[in-house]
Amino acid sequence: QITLKESGPTLVKPTQTLTLTCTFSGFSLSTSGVGVGWIRQPPGKALEWLALIYWNDDKRYSPSLKSRLTITKDTSKNQVVLTMTNMDPVDTATYYCAHRHGSEIDAFDIWGQGTMVTVSS
Amino acid sequence: DIQMTQSPSSLSASVGDRVTITCRASQGISNSLAWYQQKPGKAPKLLLYAASRLESGVPSRFSGSGSGTDYTLTISSLQPEDFATYYCQQYYSTPLTFGQGTKVEIK
Repeated sequence: QITLKESGPTLVKPTQTLTLTCTFSGFSLSTSGVGVGWIRQPPGKALEWLALIYWNDDKRYSPSLKSRLTITKDTSKNQVVLTMTNMDPVDTATYYCAHRHGSEIDAFDIWGQGTMVTVSS
Repeated sequence: DIQMTQSPSSLSASVGDRVTITCRASQGISNSLAWYQQKPGKAPKLLLYAASRLESGVPSRFSGSGSGTDYTLTISSLQPEDFATYYCQQYYSTPLTFGQGTKVEIK
C-alpha cells in the first residue's frame, strides 16, 4: 500500500524559504519508472504543478517557479524535499506530494493529504 | 506551455443524469490526459489516465474519450458521491498543466 505524507511549517513570513518534506512508504524511489511530484492549490483555486523528481534523479520544474524551487530525494529515508525561496502571500496554498502513476505516465495516482501553508507577516 | 481549458466551469445536475465535461488542450497531446475528482478538503483522486483508461477501483460509470486536442469525461449516471470538482491534466510535456476545474453541483 502506497502512502505519502507532507510535513513542514504552516506559517512562513514573506521572503522566507519554505521547506516541505514528503515522507512515503510502499515504494522505492530507486525503482525504475518511479517519481514523486509536488502540486499546490491556493484556497478556492485550481491545481498547479510545481516539480517532479524521477528515480534516476532527473528533475522537472514549473518554468514560472523554477528559479525558486529545488526538489531533492533521499532514497534511504524514503523522502522527497521541496524548497521554495522568497515566499510571498500569493504562495499561500495547500501543498501536495503525489506518486507518479508509472513509466511514461506523469499523472499522479496516489496523493498525500496535503499541508496548508500560509504566507503572512 | 500547453494550456488546458475545461468547460463548463460549473454545472448543476440531478442524480441519475448523464454528465459530460470537456477539456481542450492548446496543442495536440496524443491522449496523454488524466482526469481527477476532488471533494472539498480532500486531495484529488485519479479517475482516468491515457484519456480513457480507468484507474483501478474507479466505478465504470466514469469514462473518457477524445483525441488530439479535445477530450471528454462522462459520468453515465450521476450518483450522490459524484458531486465534486473535476480536473483534467496533460502529461504530454512539462510543465504539466491542469484545467481550471469543473464543479458538479446538485440541481
